[in-house]
Amino acid sequence: GAVVSQHPSRVICKSGTSVKIECRSLDFQATTMFWYRQFPKQSLMLMATSNEGSKATYEQGVEKDKFLINHASLTLSTLTVTSAHPEDSSFYICSAKKGTGPSSGNTIYFGEGSWLTVV
Amino acid sequence: KQEVTQIPAALSVPEGENLVLNCSFTDSAIYNLQWFRQDPGKGLTSLLLIQSSQREQTSGRLNASLDKSSGRSTLYIAASQPGDSATYLCAVTPGNQFYFGTGTSLTVIP
Repeated sequence: GAVVSQHPSRVICKSGTSVKIECRSLDFQATTMFWYRQFPKQSLMLMATSNEGSKATYEQGVEKDKFLINHASLTLSTLTVTSAHPEDSSFYICSAKKGTGPSSGNTIYFGEGSWLTVV
Repeated sequence: KQEVTQIPAALSVPEGENLVLNCSFTDSAIYNLQWFRQDPGKGLTSLLLIQSSQREQTSGRLNASLDKSSGRSTLYIAASQPGDSATYLCAVTPGNQFYFGTGTSLTVIP
């Protein structure tokens, strides 16, 4: 089956620095990828929708200047947390949509997620 | 906006018991519902996916049902094992974006 890879799976960074998380579709092209965030003991919430070759669409309340999303190719989307703070510590997970037809014909695959700790 | 609720939030059972996890959603206009497992400090593992036209899916000791009209799904785990201990998430999608529940934390006691 299709595989979505995230890297790194765990990262610790210092407060004030930036950290990049990669999401790759390994055996299919994904024109659309999604980024989610999960705070402790809370559900996963959509942060943004990443479309290849265009600007990402951010959900309400998500700072686009803080969470930079780049979808430069059909197999790679990156999430950069800029000027990270301890409150950004969270579980970040991406998903990739295989197919470009009507929604019912697509399948979405999830990466394994990335744990970010800002110290 | 779609809201997904999971009950109970936590569950502790002795090994060998059969158990049911519940998921409810407010908007029945979904394309599919998916159950995931999340181990502490790990990512998501997809367990079962039910298309909107389906009523249930089975994989090994797991059986998931879907009643779209009532906005409910259940995950049935037969003969539970300590290795089943994890958080179980259900998620629904109208096509692209997933809406997740807050999960049920399951502990199976040896």
